[in-house]
Amino acid sequence: GAVVSQHPSWVICKSGTSVKIECRSLDFQATTMFWYRQFPKQSLMLMATSNEGSKATYEQGVEKDKFLINHASLTLSTLTVTSAHPEDSSFYICSARGPGQEAFFGQGTRLTVV
Amino acid sequence: RKEVEQDPGPFNVPEGATVAFNCTYSNSASQSFFWYRQDCRKEPKLLMSVYSSGNEDGRFTAQLNRASQYISLLIRDSKLSDSATYLCVVRNQGGKLIFGQGTELSVKP
Repeated sequence: GAVVSQHPSWVICKSGTSVKIECRSLDFQATTMFWYRQFPKQSLMLMATSNEGSKATYEQGVEKDKFLINHASLTLSTLTVTSAHPEDSSFYICSARGPGQEAFFGQGTRLTVV
Repeated sequence: RKEVEQDPGPFNVPEGATVAFNCTYSNSASQSFFWYRQDCRKEPKLLMSVYSSGNEDGRFTAQLNRASQYISLLIRDSKLSDSATYLCVVRNQGGKLIFGQGTELSVKP
């Protein structure tokens, strides 16, 4: 199946700093990428949808100025958590989809803000 | 009401048992239906798509009832390696995947 690579797989950062997470489609062109967040014992919650070359569409309740999404190419999307706080600690997962394809998930990034 | 609701877990079963998971969805216009498996601290992985005619993949059988907006997953002859969280997932008209909260399965020797 298609491969989606997410990096880093885990990160610890200090409160107030920013963290960038990358999501790459390795063997297909991802016209759409999705970013999810999952808190312990809870389901994946969609944060935003991004289409290559256009601004991301954020779900209700997700602050677009805090979670910056860039989808500048057909193989790369980035999520930057700005001014991270302990409550932002979570498992962040990207998903990428090409035209007419199913979506494939990255391995996820476990963010811990101390 | 959550858009996708699943049985609360965890399910603790012995090896060889048959276990069934249920799921309901609220949006009658939902287009596609799936079961995903998620291991601890890992990304979800597609287990199988779900069709109205029902479909089977080895020990796994999935059923969809559109009239009742109900989805099920049956696992026969459960193995230790089946221990995971099973996620009921629905794709809405906009193409977004909506995840249920997941049901944790623990298969014991």
